[in-house]
Amino acid sequence: GIQVEQSPPDLILQEGANSTLRCNFSDSVNNLQWFHQNPWGQLINLFYIPSGTKQNGRLSATTVATERYSLLYISSSQTTDSGVYFCAVDRERDDKIIFGKGTRLHILP
Amino acid sequence: NAGVTQTPKFQVLKTGQSMTLQCAQDMNHEYMSWYRQDPGMGLRLIHYSVGAGITDQGEVPNGYNVSRSTTEDFPLRLLSAAPSQTSVYFCASSYFPGLAGSTGELFFGEGSRLTVL
Repeated sequence: GIQVEQSPPDLILQEGANSTLRCNFSDSVNNLQWFHQNPWGQLINLFYIPSGTKQNGRLSATTVATERYSLLYISSSQTTDSGVYFCAVDRERDDKIIFGKGTRLHILP
Repeated sequence: NAGVTQTPKFQVLKTGQSMTLQCAQDMNHEYMSWYRQDPGMGLRLIHYSVGAGITDQGEVPNGYNVSRSTTEDFPLRLLSAAPSQTSVYFCASSYFPGLAGSTGELFFGEGSRLTVL
């Protein structure tokens, strides 16, 4: 099946720092999504981004489908950004939405 | 607008017992799916459905059954629970990924924590 690899697995930053999270995938996909899981376990959709670049406040994402990767940028980090960030891809050949193992982000005050 | 509703939120079972995790959505989404989340493993797809009467296996389907008799509901059944099924289970739904004009954005329920003793 498709491999979805996220890096880094863990990231610890001071409040105010910027970060880049990466998602690589091994097969052609119809779409890609980024999610944030907060410390209470809730999963929130950040971006639906099969290709191109989108921005939402301090967060932005870029997907280069032809090179099979996506990047999530977080600028001016806040403690509320802490949690786990997942990317998920929908394979072209079927309708399975497969998740990576996530990047755990700790923002220190 | 309730979104995706999962019940129960917590459940403790003994090995060999059966149970059903309920999932309902009120957004008229065609696509529904079940994931399990274990430490360090991310979310793994158990089963999914692209519409009423249609289900298919995900990455880790063994030990679980599903059915989709209506657009709104997608229950997950454990016929004979095992300790390896201790996990947090998430139900999710979206418009059918890939349909022209469809965002396919996936919405999640709040999760159900299951412990099998």
